[in-house]
Amino acid sequence: GESVGLHLPTLSVQEGDNSIINCAYSNSASDYFIWYKQESGKGPQFIIDIRSNMDKRQGQRVTVLLNKTVKHLSLQIAATQPGDSAVYFCAEISGGGADGLTFGKGTHLIIQP
Amino acid sequence: KAGVTQTPRYLIKTRGQQVTLSCSPISGHRSVSWYQQTPGQGLQFLFEYFSETQRNKGNFPGRFSGRQFSNSRSEMNVSTLELGDSALYLCASSPDRARPNEKLFFGSGTQLSVL
Repeated sequence: GESVGLHLPTLSVQEGDNSIINCAYSNSASDYFIWYKQESGKGPQFIIDIRSNMDKRQGQRVTVLLNKTVKHLSLQIAATQPGDSAVYFCAEISGGGADGLTFGKGTHLIIQP
Repeated sequence: KAGVTQTPRYLIKTRGQQVTLSCSPISGHRSVSWYQQTPGQGLQFLFEYFSETQRNKGNFPGRFSGRQFSNSRSEMNVSTLELGDSALYLCASSPDRARPNEKLFFGSGTQLSVL
């Protein structure tokens, strides 16, 4: 079936560098996308969302980019900090949310000192 | 505002038993969703409740059920437990103005181990 996936299971970056986490989706009918951060022992934490009528959305130190042509979603984290270490999931909604959120497999972001 | 609260935090059961998990949403949120998280399958949607009614349901067998009370608190039940039901069960709530399953705020989950 159609699903949302991520390119890399693990991403290691230096503290202070920018991080880019990528996600490919296959359901062209998806109209809402979300990034979640999950720290060890906790539930997913909402980071930022974007609707399909937008290409870019910025938050505090985070930017989400949506490329509908190639069905690609990315999360950029500026000036990565130790507290950013976590697993990051992209998720999508289609059909009004009746099927729930479809999550990708997750990328584990590791911060090197 | 207090976040989503799930109890218990950990549970150990044996095959064939049943289990009930509890969730208290963020105050004012009437939509509550449940997800199962496993290393192999990732996060999967179980069901969503709104105003005491199951509004949406994922692709899980009938052994998985839930309900919501008038104060928006929710419970989910798994009967005849199987080893494969071992997972982190996450509850999430969302504001009324959001579409189903948008703007989800998750609890820390209940870690269920089936022996």
